[in-house]
Amino acid sequence: EDQVTQSPEALRLQEGESSSLNCSYTVSGLRGLFWYRQDPGKGPEFLFTLYSAGEEKEKERLKATLTKKESFLHITAPKPEDSATYLCAVVFSWGKLQFGAGTQVVVTP
Amino acid sequence: DTEVTQTPKHLVMGMTNKKSLKCEQHMGHRAMYWYKQKAKKPPELMFVYSYEKLSINESVPSRFSPECPNSSLLNLHLHALQPEDSALYLCASSLQGETRGEQYFGPGTRLTVT
Repeated sequence: EDQVTQSPEALRLQEGESSSLNCSYTVSGLRGLFWYRQDPGKGPEFLFTLYSAGEEKEKERLKATLTKKESFLHITAPKPEDSATYLCAVVFSWGKLQFGAGTQVVVTP
Repeated sequence: DTEVTQTPKHLVMGMTNKKSLKCEQHMGHRAMYWYKQKAKKPPELMFVYSYEKLSINESVPSRFSPECPNSSLLNLHLHALQPEDSALYLCASSLQGETRGEQYFGPGTRLTVT
């Protein structure tokens, strides 16, 4: 069965304390893995698309990587404004974007 | 410009009301989506319009009815909703059809059913 699992559920970081979020997936024929950031009460904001194992994408303090079974979102030297819920999602066969449950990140000064 | 707009921002309706949510994008995207998001849960896909062809998540009840007047507009008609339908309703669009490309989300409509 196709599944997307994120860990940890929540992450509390001190400002400047780097960490990584995990997204593992089981899907037959990956058509794309996406990372989004969502602030409370707002729509998800697109961050990255990864299509093949070994691919990496970077944006400011965020770096996403992909293997055959999982993706990591690395947050380097985070700032309080990086506090948000980070969602990963995988495209399934008929176009359904299946989201993981998300990792809620809180960065304290 | 990667903007998807949604109106209204907030909506309160009774169980006997009929209302509509509206979504618009001017990015030339050919696929548009409706999602439902409950508190502390990820978005759940309801409907997809890809090249004006509708695909439905079969678990969505018939009291939700999508409409795509043209490739830039997407409506969600609501009728005889239940309190458990209270949620954030998100619209999204993508450049290509269903299985390719990132989706861009609007800010959402916060719906409360009383």
